[in-house]
Amino acid sequence: KQEVTQIPAALSVPEGENLVLNCSFTDSAIYNLQWFRQDPGKGLTSLLLIQSSQREQTSGRLNASLDKSSGRSTLYIAASQPGDSATYLCAVVGTGFQKLVFGTGTRLLVSP
Amino acid sequence: NAGVTQTPKFQVLKTGQSMTLQCAQDMNHEYMSWYRQDPGMGLRLIHYSVGAGITDQGEVPNGYNVSRSTTEDFPLRLLSAAPSQTSVYFCASRPTGLISTDTQYFGPGTRLTVL
Repeated sequence: KQEVTQIPAALSVPEGENLVLNCSFTDSAIYNLQWFRQDPGKGLTSLLLIQSSQREQTSGRLNASLDKSSGRSTLYIAASQPGDSATYLCAVVGTGFQKLVFGTGTRLLVSP
Repeated sequence: NAGVTQTPKFQVLKTGQSMTLQCAQDMNHEYMSWYRQDPGMGLRLIHYSVGAGITDQGEVPNGYNVSRSTTEDFPLRLLSAAPSQTSVYFCASRPTGLISTDTQYFGPGTRLTVL
């Protein structure tokens, strides 16, 4: 059974810092890995999707990497801003089933 | 496009009551799904559909029914509400029904409390 773990569970940083969020998964047989952002009381917004054949994806200040063989992904946020404060979730789509398996998220607070 | 819409936003039920959570998307997506989000457990798949007339169970289907009569709508029915069904429910859709590289789009959620 696929399990997804995110560390740390919470992170507080001052504005301007570069930071890394970690995601690990137990079964390397995946189709893709996605990073989502969730604001309090809101739904999920997709940030980046990395296919299993890819090593990384970039969007603006965000960069996500994937090491499928070791079961790890990182989300790098450059020059953090207070508007980046949210919960970040990673999820994997495994082979043989039509579902995303989610981690429990990292709650990020960026202080001005 | 409105994207994925869900109604109601909030609902309080008594144990044993039934209700339907509504989900609609206007993007002509084939794949739709329902998740529940509970503290410390992440999001878990309840049911999903790869197209009109086709549904299947996810990870935690007990106590829930779904149907997919149109491409746009995917309602989730609670047959006899229990306190364990207190949760936040999210509907999601993506373009194709195949395991693919398409990203998923999520609705804003329905916060359900069962007393």
